[in-house]
Amino acid sequence: EAQVTQNPRYLITVTGKKLTVTCSQNMNHEYMSWYRQDPGLGLRQIYYSMNVEVTDKGDVPEGYKVSRKEKRNFPLILESPSPNQTSLYFCASSQVSGNTIYFGEGSWLTVV
Amino acid sequence: DQQVKQNSPSLSVQEGRISILNCDYTNSMFDYFLWYKKYPAEGPTFLISISSIKDKNEDGRFTVFLNKSAKHLSLHIVPSQPGDSAVYFCAARTGGSYIPTFGRGTSLIVHP
Repeated sequence: EAQVTQNPRYLITVTGKKLTVTCSQNMNHEYMSWYRQDPGLGLRQIYYSMNVEVTDKGDVPEGYKVSRKEKRNFPLILESPSPNQTSLYFCASSQVSGNTIYFGEGSWLTVV
Repeated sequence: DQQVKQNSPSLSVQEGRISILNCDYTNSMFDYFLWYKKYPAEGPTFLISISSIKDKNEDGRFTVFLNKSAKHLSLHIVPSQPGDSAVYFCAARTGGSYIPTFGRGTSLIVHP
């Protein structure tokens, strides 16, 4: 089954404690991306990657890091989380030449 | 600066009636438009799309209309069903980037 898998799905953490949200896709997609969804703000892109070792900032990259060492994985790293990073996070992937983006189920992150 | 705008945060419709969700864009370079549907606790899923060379695309109960001169597109759902209750995101991209820009979403509620 084609899917984008994120972990963890739910996490409560404390300010400053580094965390990583993993994302894996099994569709051999070149393009992967991270979004955050906040009330009234819709889906905002954090970072994206067009292929292995190629990453670029999206609209709201501050406070986040990513890496793309393998085609299937695109982890999101919060080196020092802050409460304003409390949000619902979505990983997504697609073929670069494709028209459909596939989203993971989301990761609820709360920073206290 | 929002390049894709969904000015109605919510829409309430009676079952069986037509739902019309609107989306405006400012970037004249956008040439492909997509609608995504999101249920609570799930990731967005692709619904329907339209290329800028067309002005209408139909898929079952869902039709998307594109008015390039007005930089406006709309999603029509006929007839609306309670299962259509979800948040609908409009997205647009340019052919060169493949990276979509999302609107803030419209929450559709279809009453039985």
